[in-house]
Amino acid sequence: NAGVTQTPKFQVLKTGQSMTLQCAQDMNHEYMSWYRQDPGMGLRLIHYSVGAGITDQGEVPNGYNVSRSTTEDFPLRLLSAAPSQTSVYFCASLRASRSGRASEQFFGPGTRLTVL
Amino acid sequence: GQQLNQSPQSMFIQEGEDVSMNCTSSSIFNTWLWYKQDPGEGPVLLIALYKAGELTSNGRLTAQFGITRKDSFLNISASIPSDVGIYFCAGPSSGATNKLIFGTGTLLAVQP
Repeated sequence: NAGVTQTPKFQVLKTGQSMTLQCAQDMNHEYMSWYRQDPGMGLRLIHYSVGAGITDQGEVPNGYNVSRSTTEDFPLRLLSAAPSQTSVYFCASLRASRSGRASEQFFGPGTRLTVL
Repeated sequence: GQQLNQSPQSMFIQEGEDVSMNCTSSSIFNTWLWYKQDPGEGPVLLIALYKAGELTSNGRLTAQFGITRKDSFLNISASIPSDVGIYFCAGPSSGATNKLIFGTGTLLAVQP
């Protein structure tokens, strides 16, 4: 199993450009999410999905769109990049808990995005 | 909303020293998770705690679920250089077992 994969690893954009960060998992996990990590802020949830066709907003959703057409893929779209979106982006997946206990969340290696 | 505060923000220690860090919440959690992030990598789960008062070990790491359910502690004994990284606590958002919120992280640097 490859686990959670993300592409690209690094990206530089100009203000106003658009791009899609790719995320895929091969563990058949129902739940996937996107986080951004900024110094001193920890990991903040951008969007998440509880299954194919279902997405919802997290803590910091503005400026980002997501879709979940398959269980495996969960791309994150920046429609018009802004310098405030310079960050490290992590995709994660987990198997939905049926026991009431939070399950282990598996993270991808991250995408380092700079917006000039 | 729910917040997780970690302290200290950073620690700079000598190899062989013991380390303690904690995580506090403004609300009750029924699960505490501790993750470690190596430089340039995504976070990896170290320890999961599911019951108030629970004490769980993973090698040199020991974590405890606070009795009040509003805090958790992580201890690392006899630190080594590969312990370097950022340590995060996490817990399920209220009413959403599968939606995690993360603390602000504790950066650990270990000098050989």
